[in-house]
Amino acid sequence: EAGVTQSPRYAVLQEGQAVSFWCDPISGHDTLYWYQQPRDQGPQLLVYFRDEAVIDNSQLPSDRFSAVRPKGTNSTLKIQSAKQGDTATYLCASSFLGQSNTEVFFGKGTRLTVV
Amino acid sequence: GDSVTQMQGQVTLSEDDFLFINCTYSTTWYPTLFWYVQYPGEGPQLLLKVTTANNKGISRGFEATYDKGTTSFHLQKASVQESDSAVYYCVLGANSGTYQRFGTGTKLQVVP
Repeated sequence: EAGVTQSPRYAVLQEGQAVSFWCDPISGHDTLYWYQQPRDQGPQLLVYFRDEAVIDNSQLPSDRFSAVRPKGTNSTLKIQSAKQGDTATYLCASSFLGQSNTEVFFGKGTRLTVV
Repeated sequence: GDSVTQMQGQVTLSEDDFLFINCTYSTTWYPTLFWYVQYPGEGPQLLLKVTTANNKGISRGFEATYDKGTTSFHLQKASVQESDSAVYYCVLGANSGTYQRFGTGTKLQVVP
């Protein structure tokens, strides 16, 4: 079974540039998460979906970040105008039903550096 | 709000030493609790989970016990190896309308 796939693996931007991250979750998983992980810190949730619906995006910096999952499968996270403080690894994860005892499966992440 | 706390940011041990990583949680309900492990260049992966039904989880020589009285979920291993070097996260399971919350992580370095 294929795991969660993310691309690209690495991105280097100048401040003000835009970037998109793509995620393909495990087939059949209805819940998809985007986490931001700054260096030497734990993952912090940005947004998560159940099917195509956004369940919680309260931690997403809405002025510059956006996320979609139009068909309830793949998802894209976009940063419109990157800042140095956005430097982090962006992790996509998925699970089935998002229940309390359900394991969440992570991709390898996209490491973003903003200079 | 719900939270999980790991006080140890970094632990350095020698091979065959005993490992103990402290984790406490704060919720108004009884969550499923997880330990995830993250190796360099990888996403976190499940190490073990414990539900309110079973109270203890064991995997790959690691063990964690769910203590509702002290709201703790410590991770331990009798004899660590260099290959155990990684970051370990205590994770609070989701509740209705919530999501899994990660602790700050404990970086374990095992030296030969």
